[in-house]
Amino acid sequence: GAGVSQSPSNKVTEKGKDVELRCDPISGHTALYWYRQSLGQGLEFLIYFQGNSAPDKSGLPSDRFSAERTGGSVSTLTIQRTQQEDSAVYLCASSLEGLQPQHFGDGTRLSIL
Amino acid sequence: QKEVEQNSGPLSVPEGAIASLNCTYSDRVSQSFFWYRQYSGKSPELIMSIYSNGDKEDGRFTAQLNKASQYVSLLIRDSQPSDSATYLCAVRGRAAGNKLTFGGGTRVLVKP
Repeated sequence: GAGVSQSPSNKVTEKGKDVELRCDPISGHTALYWYRQSLGQGLEFLIYFQGNSAPDKSGLPSDRFSAERTGGSVSTLTIQRTQQEDSAVYLCASSLEGLQPQHFGDGTRLSIL
Repeated sequence: QKEVEQNSGPLSVPEGAIASLNCTYSDRVSQSFFWYRQYSGKSPELIMSIYSNGDKEDGRFTAQLNKASQYVSLLIRDSQPSDSATYLCAVRGRAAGNKLTFGGGTRVLVKP
């Protein structure tokens, strides 16, 4: 497909476990973003990548959250020692370059038991 | 004050009517403005982008931007039941880098 691809689509895990969420952006898009959407919280920014570097990590809620991007393409968001408040839909978006409109993937619905 | 504010709705409109959605923002130097449509359980879908004052039309959608008053609006003409969704306003500010700040969304219900 030509869109942003995220996996898994759903993830259920126990509190305290680590999880990895994957994002494969639209081919050729240099900018990649992670957001999360919680019930009652709206859509909030987590981190922005330009190429493999992350000039803006200001939205990461704690040091349990980290992300990397390799080869200017796929990105992985890792949450360590998950907590129940981490339950949300994690959305990845990409754009041709930083100032262009962002296009979202279908998201990963994360549920922490 | 929230950075981007929208009326949560629901905004109920009869089929064929015009739906009018408003969004206000606090960062006076914001430069780029976007409207996304989000169906329940789905991800946001970009429907309009606008960068300069005035109107921008695309099919049944018209975005209007007034930077002096710090608001952006979306008009949906000839509303259809398939337009029933939550509409998210997103703003990119100069100081905010490339991230988007989203409003809470307006839920629109188009009744046949």
